[in-house]
Amino acid sequence: GAGVSQTPSNKVTEKGKYVELRCDPISGHTALYWYRQSLGQGPEFLIYFQGTGAADDSGLPNDRFFAVRPEGSVSTLKIQRTERGDSAVYLCASSPTGADTGELFFGEGSRLTVL
Amino acid sequence: GDSVTQMEGPVTLSEEAFLTINCTYTATGYPSLFWYVQYPGEGLQLLLKATKADDKGSNKGFEATYRKETTSFHLEKGSVQVSDSAVYFCALSLSGNQFYFGTGTSLTVIP
Repeated sequence: GAGVSQTPSNKVTEKGKYVELRCDPISGHTALYWYRQSLGQGPEFLIYFQGTGAADDSGLPNDRFFAVRPEGSVSTLKIQRTERGDSAVYLCASSPTGADTGELFFGEGSRLTVL
Repeated sequence: GDSVTQMEGPVTLSEEAFLTINCTYTATGYPSLFWYVQYPGEGLQLLLKATKADDKGSNKGFEATYRKETTSFHLEKGSVQVSDSAVYFCALSLSGNQFYFGTGTSLTVIP
């Protein structure tokens, strides 16, 4: 079956612009995670959804970052007024339950470059 | 805070060599521990896991033992293959909500 799908795979934008990154999780997975991976670093937690609600958004760096999952499936990560420091690979992962399974299924990521 | 420290790379080995990638953790409770692998051009995928002390996770010839006394979860493989070339990430989770990843160790296996 289909894995986690992320679009776009690459996004180049200018400083100050608005960006949306989309994640389509594996069908039936209730838990969805967003991570950010900078060059040479491991994935850094941003936000976790259980169903439609954000169960933990403590990793969002500031109020320019926002994520939604209105129907409990597809999620969109939104970044306002982008800054050069936002350049990174944004990873989405889903999990059947999100409760100590350890099995996160990752997409290939969306590479964001802010010029 | 909770964190994972793993051996820095890159690591280059000849085929059939023995592999060890060190990982130590800091956690306020009793975490579950994981190794994830990222092959070139692919997303991260779970390699193995251990959920309590003294558990051994294993998969594809890789092994790691959860050592509470040394707060470690070192990854080992007795004989690496070219197809094992990838980036390996150690990770921990306390609640299943947040996973803390190490910085990754790049492994290149040469024929």
